[in-house]
Amino acid sequence: DSGVTQTPKHLITATGQRVTLRCSPRSGDLSVYWYQQSLDQGLQFLIQYYNGEERAKGNILERFSAQQFPDLHSELNLSSLELGDSALYFCASSVGTGVNEKLFFGSGTQLSVL
Amino acid sequence: GDSVTQMEGPVTLSEEAFLTINCTYTATGYPSLFWYVQYPGEGLQLLLKATKADDKGSNKGFEATYRKETTSFHLEKGSVQVSDSAVYFCALSDTNNAGNMLTFGGGTRLMVKP
Repeated sequence: DSGVTQTPKHLITATGQRVTLRCSPRSGDLSVYWYQQSLDQGLQFLIQYYNGEERAKGNILERFSAQQFPDLHSELNLSSLELGDSALYFCASSVGTGVNEKLFFGSGTQLSVL
Repeated sequence: GDSVTQMEGPVTLSEEAFLTINCTYTATGYPSLFWYVQYPGEGLQLLLKATKADDKGSNKGFEATYRKETTSFHLEKGSVQVSDSAVYFCALSDTNNAGNMLTFGGGTRLMVKP
């Protein structure tokens, strides 16, 4: 168990809908990362937050947004969903922002857009 | 930008065989290099890391050496076990990035047969 909790584990929805994925980092970790894993794109970095502030942004679509709350949990909001958004979404956390940081990954949320 | 290239899988080996999974990278700064492993239905776990040239990371019988001259970080294990069956990801974290996010290779699936 990595200590990173993601809910829900599975999500099935329809095109055009909006969903929210939730992540609770390990106790004491200030950094949260979101990744998308799909068969064609592999593991793609979406966004990073550190202590409530956006730290870095990757290949995140404008239809997607995220935030980190004062209690350090994070939410990833996906709107106007398309079939191609079906993927496994991982959250990870780390203590800080150093390049040698070890990231701890949750078990992911499997999103299916029908 | 940064990128990581891994040998494509699946790699199928018999128990006690020697394993090599090739990984090469390009980076604009001074990267740290990582191998993560993903077991079925789970998130990624750090297997080993190396933070500077000629460093050797090792864990659970796996080894990888940071070769700056060949921009490589190949994963090796002398004798694989059935329990090593998983997907292995090579990754880097670059000092030139705003955050410390990981850039991943495409992953290599390893299947070990008894």
